[in-house]
Amino acid sequence: AQSVSQHNHHVILSEAASLELGCNYSYGGTVNLFWYVQYPGQHLQLLLKYFSGDPLVKGIKGFEAEFIKSKFSFNLRKPSVQWSDTAEYFCAVTSGGGADGLTFGKGTHLIIQP
Amino acid sequence: NAGVTQTPKFQVLKTGQSMTLQCAQDMNHEYMSWYRQDPGMGLRLIHYSVGAGITDQGEVPNGYNVSRSTTEDFPLRLLSAAPSQTSVYFCASSYGRFTIYYGYTFGSGTRLTVV
Repeated sequence: AQSVSQHNHHVILSEAASLELGCNYSYGGTVNLFWYVQYPGQHLQLLLKYFSGDPLVKGIKGFEAEFIKSKFSFNLRKPSVQWSDTAEYFCAVTSGGGADGLTFGKGTHLIIQP
Repeated sequence: NAGVTQTPKFQVLKTGQSMTLQCAQDMNHEYMSWYRQDPGMGLRLIHYSVGAGITDQGEVPNGYNVSRSTTEDFPLRLLSAAPSQTSVYFCASSYGRFTIYYGYTFGSGTRLTVV
């Protein structure tokens, strides 16, 4: 069975600070990795994904993530956060092409202070 | 193009009552799945389906039933609601073999309270 661990449950940053949210997964085979964002009161939206090729992937809203296979990690980064980035962030993994759904981490609640 | 539609948005049930959470997608997606979201727990997979007539259990299936008679619909049934099923429920769908390229699309959720 696969699992996902997100290291930081709550993160508070000031605007313009740099962001890095940790994500580690446990699965020995081929995986596909995702970061989703949930703004207050809304449903999940896809930020970015990795399935093959360049391990540095870029997503929407200036976010990027790096897949490091040797560390089983897929950390999310943003050079300069904005107040509107306040949200819950979820790392997720699937294997086998996604047929059996997603396994999520417990999420990181990010608060950006003006 | 409505995407993934969930109804109702809010529901209060009494312990022991039954109900069905509806999920419909109009994108001709093969894969569909149900998740529950609880504080500090992230989202956990309840049931999933890879096509009409095919369903399987996820991480937390107890107390829930599903069926997939059409590609578009994937209802989640609570046969006898319990307070432990108080949660926010999300339905998601994806393009089948293209899931790894496009990810899953999520509905807006159903907030269920069991008293």
